[in-house]
Amino acid sequence: EVQLVESGGGLVKPGGSLRLSCAASGFTFSKAWMSWVRQAPGKGLEWVGRIKNKGDGGTTDYAAPVKGRFTISRDDSKNTLYLQMNSVKTEDTAVYYCTTVLYCSGGTCYSGDWGQGTRVTVSS
Amino acid sequence: EIVMTQSPATLSVSPGERATLSCRASQSVSSNLAWYQQKPGQAPRLLIYGASTRATGIPARFSGSGSGTEFTLTISSLQSEDFAVYYCQQYNNWPPGETFGGGTKVEIK
Repeated sequence: EVQLVESGGGLVKPGGSLRLSCAASGFTFSKAWMSWVRQAPGKGLEWVGRIKNKGDGGTTDYAAPVKGRFTISRDDSKNTLYLQMNSVKTEDTAVYYCTTVLYCSGGTCYSGDWGQGTRVTVSS
Repeated sequence: EIVMTQSPATLSVSPGERATLSCRASQSVSSNLAWYQQKPGQAPRLLIYGASTRATGIPARFSGSGSGTEFTLTISSLQSEDFAVYYCQQYNNWPPGETFGGGTKVEIK
């Protein structure tokens, strides 16, 4: 059974930094492409970014609102996905989900399994 | 930039009735469309991909149709566990990447 467990959320001041983690189990993490998706309070879903597996280059893509501020990385030896959030803004307040990427077309993908999320609040 | 628009925002349906949800793309996404279900306090769950293929374990009462810019999710006979928010998502166009609709809340009438 696939399990994705996010952690690291909390309260951070505008301009600060936070690192989220996602511990994966139940599948071959090193072969998976992974994504982060967020959901602001009472709002819809917003894709944050994605990382390929190392065999496919390990490259990353980001949504425009977070590009240059957020960095996705992975440690295949620990079966863990990371989201480094720098220069955070109040609009980054959301629940952050990690997901497994099932399929892509034209550089855009959809997700299969989702973690339960970790809440990030950006406030002074 | 592609925009996904879902309608209606809220759909009131009685248990056992049929629910029809719409998703429109501002430009063609071919059949590269997914539907997710999200219950309160839970993570989203993949229902449909490829516009019409049910994901593993999804009941047959859920069906998807459409291609290009117009898509429909139909729940043939609503069960109590189906009251939730449903999101469509395109995975055809880059940039901007995965783009979700604003969601349709299916509530008990």
